[in-house]
Amino acid sequence: LAKTTQPISMDSYEGQEVNITCSHNNIATNDYITWYQQFPSQGPRFIIQGYKTKVTNEVASLFIPADRKSSTLSLPRVSLSDTAVYYCLVNQAGTALIFGKGTTLSVSS
Amino acid sequence: DGGITQSPKYLFRKEGQNVTLSCEQNLNHDAMYWYRQDPGQGLRLIYYSQIVNDFQKGDIAEGYSVSREKKESFPLTVTSAQKNPTAFYLCASSIERDGYYGYTFGSGTRLTVV
Repeated sequence: LAKTTQPISMDSYEGQEVNITCSHNNIATNDYITWYQQFPSQGPRFIIQGYKTKVTNEVASLFIPADRKSSTLSLPRVSLSDTAVYYCLVNQAGTALIFGKGTTLSVSS
Repeated sequence: DGGITQSPKYLFRKEGQNVTLSCEQNLNHDAMYWYRQDPGQGLRLIYYSQIVNDFQKGDIAEGYSVSREKKESFPLTVTSAQKNPTAFYLCASSIERDGYYGYTFGSGTRLTVV
């Protein structure tokens, strides 16, 4: 089962771009990389998912290098409401998602 | 709208009592999961079920029990054997497409045992 490593916490200011990097050295060929966001006392919410190169949606971008041993979640122009915990997970087909402690992002004005 | 419903949102029980947390989904997802979250920690897997009438233990199954009699429902019972049951409990369901499992989470039940 692949494990991920990401920073425990990050601080930013409103309007800045935030990049959170996750390492997953043991990622398997058929694994996808998925990022979730969680606010206090709520369930995690899907942000973005990718397999390789770059994926972009309306809220974030995900950059995955060719070796896929790491990935970077990019949040453009964060606001106070982006203060949350962000989890990086690697999907193994047929098994449950295993969460780490995630990265606590604090956005200040 | 399709989704996962966990009830109740807050639950209080006396120590030594069993308590059952409800989780219902109308997404037609095959797999369902229960996670526990303690303050400042990530989610830990308790039990999961990939099909009706079948379920597997997760990392912290001791003191918990589940059933999966219907595709839509996956109730979790916190028994008196669970030494520290006060926590935030999250239910999720998933469906596979092209090797990826898409997850949807409920809003959680906060259980307090006094």
